[in-house]
Amino acid sequence: SSELTQDPAVSVALGQTVRITCQGDSLRGYYASWYQQKPGQAPTLVFYGKSNRPSGIPDRFSGSSSGATASLTITGAQAEDEADYYCYSRDSGGNFWLFGGGSKLTVL
Amino acid sequence: QLQLQESGPGLVKPSETLSLTCTVSGGSITSTTYYWGWIRQPPGKGLEYIATIYYTGLTYISPSLKSRVTISVDTSQNQFSLKLRSVTATDTAVYYCARHVDAVLATISFFDYWGQGTLVTVSS
Repeated sequence: SSELTQDPAVSVALGQTVRITCQGDSLRGYYASWYQQKPGQAPTLVFYGKSNRPSGIPDRFSGSSSGATASLTITGAQAEDEADYYCYSRDSGGNFWLFGGGSKLTVL
Repeated sequence: QLQLQESGPGLVKPSETLSLTCTVSGGSITSTTYYWGWIRQPPGKGLEYIATIYYTGLTYISPSLKSRVTISVDTSQNQFSLKLRSVTATDTAVYYCARHVDAVLATISFFDYWGQGTLVTVSS
């Protein structure tokens, strides 16, 4: 399959930990990158590869990968983390790139 | 600080060609490390990858759009451009340009700098 599948909606209580997942066969061979998008704004890269967090991104954001699933974990979610999150990677053939459908995170 | 800025018409008629340019400032488009890409987002929907170009002119285009898309680079102006032919209402979207890092051997790919996006509406 060339798709990346995300749960459309995810929620977390303030201060708790949440995992946002991305599933796809390509993730067995390629790392995912993760983007946060708030309303009316361009996406922001929050994590990429095995263990890379861009400068300025809080360390409560982390990533992991196991088999065909990549995960973005927010440890101690804050109100400002409420946003849409997208994963991104190559297709399983390595021929092109694609985004997951996105997960809307609600912080309760 | 690297900046990218999209420019082009905000309204395009059905069946015509959508043309956008991305101007890169604060860095050179001829850097051997980076590619340059286009992504779009229809209103209320998710992100869709469109295409990527290297400063040499090497291109990669999403299979779903390949028959209608041309992407080019102008190194003298530090710009790259997108053309989407035969547009319909479904091409209405915010179009983003972004710097694309693709390290195939490291199996990593990501967009690290994004433009603010420009809304293009397809309507008569």
